[in-house]
Amino acid sequence: EPEVTQTPSHQVTQMGQEVILRCVPISNHLYFYWYRQILGQKVEFLVSFYNNEISEKSEIFDDQFSVERPDGSNFTLKIRSTKLEDSAMYFCASDSRGRYTGELFFGEGSRLTVL
Amino acid sequence: DAKTTQPNSMESNEEEPVHLPCNHSTISGTDYIHWYRQLPSQGPEYVIHGLTSNVNNRMASLAIAEDRKSSTLILHRATLRDAAVYYCILREKRQGGSEKLVFGKGMKLTVNP
Repeated sequence: EPEVTQTPSHQVTQMGQEVILRCVPISNHLYFYWYRQILGQKVEFLVSFYNNEISEKSEIFDDQFSVERPDGSNFTLKIRSTKLEDSAMYFCASDSRGRYTGELFFGEGSRLTVL
Repeated sequence: DAKTTQPNSMESNEEEPVHLPCNHSTISGTDYIHWYRQLPSQGPEYVIHGLTSNVNNRMASLAIAEDRKSSTLILHRATLRDAAVYYCILREKRQGGSEKLVFGKGMKLTVNP
């Protein structure tokens, strides 16, 4: 069964450092998303990406965040200067929307710990 | 985004059916009803979705009230692997643009052996 894969599974970084989280969406999918979940809290939408540009972003997704699809397979989330409050699980998701299937496929997440 | 209301938690017994309710009294005509679940330490997982008619798939059934203001996710035979947080989410079908999911707190299902 096709799946979304994310790396690293866990990253520990010092406050102020740059972090890049990587995702390989399902190969024929066209729409890509990042969500995050702070420990014990809700899953929160960060950003959606289609046709090589951001289609929607939340208030959380400020200038410290950026996304990129540098080649045909990877989809990355960069946090330029990490803060303590960026510690969370980050989930990548994708869907095809060739027809309205309604199903978003999520990866298993990357845990980011900022010290 | 229209909101949904779910109980905070439910318990069920293994091998028995379990009905997970969701209220969405402010649902609009273009909102699809989606269910996702999140097993411990994993990403959300799609379960089922529907618009007006009841839906069945290999994981579950979705019963939608005639006025669409509530729905019920039915797990026909709960297993220990079904223990998770279940999210009932309204997702607007738009022409173009992203169709983000807005997660609430969800409902924690405990399955007793």
